Amino acid sequence: KAGVTQTPRYLIKTRGQQVTLSCSPISGHRSVSWYQQTPGQGLQFLFEYFSETQRNKGNFPGRFSGRQFSNSRSEMNVSTLELGDSALYLCASSLDRAEQFFGPGTRLTVL
Amino acid sequence: QKEVEQNSGPLSVPEGAIASLNCTYSDRVSQSFFWYRQYSGKSPELIMSIYSNGDKEDGRFTAQLNKASQYVSLLIRDSQPSDSATYLCAVRGFQKLVFGTGTRLLVSP
Repeated sequence: KAGVTQTPRYLIKTRGQQVTLSCSPISGHRSVSWYQQTPGQGLQFLFEYFSETQRNKGNFPGRFSGRQFSNSRSEMNVSTLELGDSALYLCASSLDRAEQFFGPGTRLTVL
Repeated sequence: QKEVEQNSGPLSVPEGAIASLNCTYSDRVSQSFFWYRQYSGKSPELIMSIYSNGDKEDGRFTAQLNKASQYVSLLIRDSQPSDSATYLCAVRGFQKLVFGTGTRLLVSP
């Protein structure tokens, strides 16, 4: 069974730009969660989607948004990038509220 | 008080020893508990899940859960240098999965 895939793996953007990250969950998994990981803050929860509905949202500004499609693939978008948005963005999929399996992540650098 | 707390370490153990990693959580209604291993530059990898009080063993790994004390631990027997990584404790409450900041484990040959 293929694992969670994330694209792109690396991104370099400048302040003010926007970015879209993509995540394809494990086949059959309908829940997708997104996390931001930085050295200082650890893993911070962004949002969770289940069957195209946002089920939970973390404490991030409205510049961070996401969506899930009918095939369970998910995207997250960050608008008006700031230097502090530089981080590893991780997607995790699960069978509803069960073990989460992480993708390889997208490393975003904002210059 | 943080929702999930771990000692950041590093925890240094010699090869072949038992490494003991600890985690406390604040939400009494938490039902699911997980341990992830994360190598530097990589994403977290699930190594253990535990749902009820007591011990759960899987190879060299043993997870221990004490809901009354709101405490979960991970024991790694016969530690190997390849076990050197950051270990993340994760706790699912009513809504979301919350991660601790992780404990860095160093196993010296």
